[in-house]
Formats: sequence, C-alpha cells, structure tokens
Amino acid sequence: QVQLQESGPGLVRPSETLSLTCTVSRDSISRFYWSWIRQPPGEGLEWIGYVYYTGNTRHNPSLKSRVTISVDTSKDQFSLKLNSVTAADTAVYFCARHRTPGRGFDSWGQGTLVTVSS
Amino acid sequence: QSVLTQPPSVSAAPGQKVTISCSGNTSNIGNNFVSWYQHSPGTAPKLLIYDNNKRPSGIPDRFSGSKSGTSATLGITGLQTADEADYYCGTWDSGLSAGGVIFGGGTTLTVL
Repeated sequence: QVQLQESGPGLVRPSETLSLTCTVSRDSISRFYWSWIRQPPGEGLEWIGYVYYTGNTRHNPSLKSRVTISVDTSKDQFSLKLNSVTAADTAVYFCARHRTPGRGFDSWGQGTLVTVSS
Repeated sequence: QSVLTQPPSVSAAPGQKVTISCSGNTSNIGNNFVSWYQHSPGTAPKLLIYDNNKRPSGIPDRFSGSKSGTSATLGITGLQTADEADYYCGTWDSGLSAGGVIFGGGTTLTVL
C-alpha cells in the first residue's frame, strides 16, 4: 500500500517561500497524479494543485502565480513551493495521490502544519 | 466560501442512519464525478466514495454515495461513535480557469 510523507519547515516568515516535499514509498511515483491540499485552522480543505509524473501541472487559480509544483521521479518525490506567503497561508498541508484528476484522492499523507509568522 | 454547499453539522444516535448533502452546479457536480472523504483532526483524510457511488477496498457498505443532477449525498447507516468526524465532498470544477478540484465546506458528524 502506497505511503506518502510530507516534510519541510514548520515555520516560514511572511513574504518568504514555503517549500514542502512529499516522499512516496511502497509504489512508484511514475504513475498517477500527485496533489497538494491544505486546511487552514478551523477551515475546510483547499486544493492547491497537482503534478503528473511527466511534469505536467495544474494549480488552483485562486493562488494565482504563487505556486510551483514539481516532481523528481528518480527520488519518488514531488514538491510544493508557495512564494510571498502571508498569515493566510498558515495551514496543515497534505500531499495526496489520485488516479485521474477529480475522481478521488485515494491516498494521503498525514499532513504537516506550516505556520507563517515573523 | 466553498463552491460546494454542505450542512455545517449533522447528528444522529448510534445505530441510526444519517445523510449528508453536497450541492453544486453544472460546472462541477452536474458534469463530473463526486468523491467523499472522512477526516478526523490530526489524521490523514480517508476516501470513502469515488465516482459518485463506488467504495474503495476496505470501506464498509454502511457508507454509500449517490448523485442526482447538481447534488450528491453521502449516506451512513448503523452509526458508530467511531464515525464522528468531518466529512467533505469533492469534485472537478470545469468552470475554474483551466479546471480544478474543489471541496465542500465540510460537515461535522456527531453521534449522540
């Protein structure tokens, strides 16, 4: 059964770049789609964007051009970079797998809390 | 404010049945598959239903999903205290610029 694990700093200063990595184990990243999803404190889930193992990406237009998602198939990892962060970007960030966009995220990481604060 | 509308909370007694609704429009639910997730704080969300009404391996048949027009419904029968969690619907929205995944605002289930 595939496992996903998020890693990265838990504290980011305002205006800087949030960087997270998701490591995929017990399966190859070279299939399926891989997404980042976040949950601000006390709020619901928000999809950030996905990367296909080929490198094709799509992101939530509400985040405009602040998001970069990339994949490293040699390491079975994919990454998120969110620049110019503010306190509104404080959230638990999840990585997740889906076989086809929009048809269900069947595996999730445990999530990692990222706080934006000076 | 979510594009998909869910009731903030539902409650029922152990052993009873509950339904959770998810309302959208033709850009999302009306023309795309719906999935449902169970999420307890501090844990990874769990996929309960995909493709409107299919259950992944390991999900008991107490959980069911349906879709009609621009709305979807999650049903849970034989409620257990372990079912207390937040539940989210999700789908693809073709109305977003280039399309994207959207979620409902979530529904908190309390098993009284």
